[in-house]
Amino acid sequence: GEDVEQSLFLSVREGDSSVINCTYTDSSSTYLYWYKQEPGAGLQLLTYIFSNMDMKQDQRLTVLLNKKDKHLSLRIADTQTGDSAIYFCAESMGGGKLIFGQGTELSVKP
Amino acid sequence: NAGVTQTPKFRVLKTGQSMTLLCAQDMNHEYMYWYRQDPGMGLRLIHYSVGEGTTAKGEVPDGYNVSRLKKQNFLLGLESAAPSQTSVYFCASSDRGQTYEQYFGPGTRLTVT
Repeated sequence: GEDVEQSLFLSVREGDSSVINCTYTDSSSTYLYWYKQEPGAGLQLLTYIFSNMDMKQDQRLTVLLNKKDKHLSLRIADTQTGDSAIYFCAESMGGGKLIFGQGTELSVKP
Repeated sequence: NAGVTQTPKFRVLKTGQSMTLLCAQDMNHEYMYWYRQDPGMGLRLIHYSVGEGTTAKGEVPDGYNVSRLKKQNFLLGLESAAPSQTSVYFCASSDRGQTYEQYFGPGTRLTVT
C-alpha cells in the first residue's frame, strides 16, 4: 500500500541549514506537502509542491522533488530556535485524503 | 474566524466507557477528517467526510463511529473505549479546491485506563 517514510530526529545548530528528507510510494500523487507541528498544537501547512515541479522556494524554505526516486526534501536556511518542531511530509491520495509520514522532530541548539 | 475547534481538550476514560469528540469548523469546508497521532507513527486517518450526511472509513476505523449531520460539525464516537485508543485525536477540514490544504484543530488528548 501507500507509504511515506521519514527519519524521526534531526539536530542542528542555530544558523545552520536543516534538511529533512522524505520518501513516498505513490507516483500518481498530485501534490506533496510539508506540515509543521509545534508542541501541544495541531499541524499547519508550511508549503506544498505540485508533482510537475522540481523545486519550490519560499523565503527560507526550499522544497526539492525527485519524482524518479520518489524523494522529497525540505531545506530550512538559517535555522532558528523557533523552527524547533515536528515536520510531517504528506502525499495526496485523491478525494482530499492525505497520507502522512511519521514526522521528523527538529531540534535546534543555540 | 475560529477555524477548526475541538472539544474536549483532554479526557480520561475507563475501559468500556463511551464518549463523543466534537469538531467544528467555520470555514464552510466540504471535507472533514479525524486522525489519531501516536508516537513514531505519524497521523493515521480514522474516518472522513466529503460532505454533509456522508462518511467514509479511513486507515484505522475499527472501534470508532462518526456522523456529519451538519456541514460544520464532525463527531467522532467511541462506543466502548479500550486502552489501545489512548492517543491524541486531531480533526481537520479542507475545501474542495485543487490543493486540498487541510486545516487542523488543536487536538484532544484521550487516555483510556
